[in-house]
Amino acid sequence: GEDVEQSLFLSVREGDSSVINCTYTDSSSTYLYWYKQEPGAGLQLLTYIFSNMDMKQDQRLTVLLNKKDKHLSLRIADTQTGDSAIYFCAEGTGRRALTFGSGTRLQVQP
Amino acid sequence: EPEVTQTPSHQVTQMGQEVILRCVPISNHLYFYWYRQILGQKVEFLVSFYNNEISEKSEIFDDQFSVERPDGSNFTLKIRSTKLEDSAMYFCASSDNRADSWGRANVLTFGAGSRLTVL
Repeated sequence: GEDVEQSLFLSVREGDSSVINCTYTDSSSTYLYWYKQEPGAGLQLLTYIFSNMDMKQDQRLTVLLNKKDKHLSLRIADTQTGDSAIYFCAEGTGRRALTFGSGTRLQVQP
Repeated sequence: EPEVTQTPSHQVTQMGQEVILRCVPISNHLYFYWYRQILGQKVEFLVSFYNNEISEKSEIFDDQFSVERPDGSNFTLKIRSTKLEDSAMYFCASSDNRADSWGRANVLTFGAGSRLTVL
């Protein structure tokens, strides 16, 4: 079945860039998603990328997709303490349910 | 901004008891989902629901689980006889079902979750 893998933890200093990585197995995935979960809250959609794109930029967020290697990354520029959260990568096709990774906990040191 | 609401936020139950988790999806959404996350593990898909029937379910969603849309607003997940391994955070989500294979993304809006603790 489909699988999505992420590293569990990332620590950066405030003002630095953060790069969160994700790999997936389903080559038929048409969309790749990034969700953010803050303490006590649900998963909030940050951004998504269509599989025929290799980059998408949205303010401080840059998503890179390497479809050949099935590798997705999320770069957060000028990381702030408010960016501390768990970040989930997910993949999906059409109306099929999304498959999520286990999440990467981002800790931002002041 | 419209949101998905879930109740209760936390429920503690004894093994073998029935539990019902409730969700109010966004009003104009047509697809509804339940996911769960056992502490430290992946967010796992349980079931999706459309047009008053299950459209997709995972291996986790066995005979102990059921879903229902009893009225026009609520979407419930019932666990008939809880087990210790059912302890998890359960997330409800909804989408407007405008996704298609090559056109638009399936954007899910999640609730804050219901934490279930089975003793």
